[in-house]
Amino acid sequence: KAGVTQTPRYLIKTRGQQVTLSCSPISGHRSVSWYQQTPGQGLQFLFEYFSETQRNKGNFPGRFSGRQFSNSRSEMNVSTLELGDSALYLCASSLDNNQPQHFGDGTRLSIL
Amino acid sequence: AQSVTQLDSHVSVSEGTPVLLRCNYSSSYSPSLFWYVQHPNKGLQLLLKYTSAATLVKGINGFEAEFKKSETSFHLTKPSAHMSDAAEYFCVVSSLHGSSNTGKLIFGQGTTLQVKP
Repeated sequence: KAGVTQTPRYLIKTRGQQVTLSCSPISGHRSVSWYQQTPGQGLQFLFEYFSETQRNKGNFPGRFSGRQFSNSRSEMNVSTLELGDSALYLCASSLDNNQPQHFGDGTRLSIL
Repeated sequence: AQSVTQLDSHVSVSEGTPVLLRCNYSSSYSPSLFWYVQHPNKGLQLLLKYTSAATLVKGINGFEAEFKKSETSFHLTKPSAHMSDAAEYFCVVSSLHGSSNTGKLIFGQGTTLQVKP
């Protein structure tokens, strides 16, 4: 069974641009969560989608948004990029809230 | 609100010696607890999970953890360290809404395990 797939693996953008990251969950998993990992703040929850609906949201500004498609694939978008948005963005999928989350290898976003 | 505290930011052991990574948690209800490992430039891999069944949980690669409610601890152990165990380890609790799990994980700050030959 294929794992969680995130694309692209690496991305370089400049301040003010916007970016879209993609996540394909494990087949059959309907919950997709996104996390930001930085050296200073560690791993922080961004949001979670289940059956195309956002169920939970972390404490990030509105520049961070996401969506989930009918096939459970998910995208997250960051607009008006700031230097502080440089991070590893991790996607995780699970069957439901009572099952463990399985992580992809992440997208490393660098803002110049 | 739930939280986890990893008591050591860095642990160094010699190959073949035991590993102990310490984690304390805070939760109003019986929590779901996890240990994940992250190797450089990789995502997180689930080592083991506790979900109110047996208090001693066995995971992959010889790791295990013991849930101690009286001490609010969930320490990770391994009898004999291997060079390939060198990585960052995260203690994680599932955020609760009331007594039900949400889709949000709360991470400790991580412990870097160094294994010396």
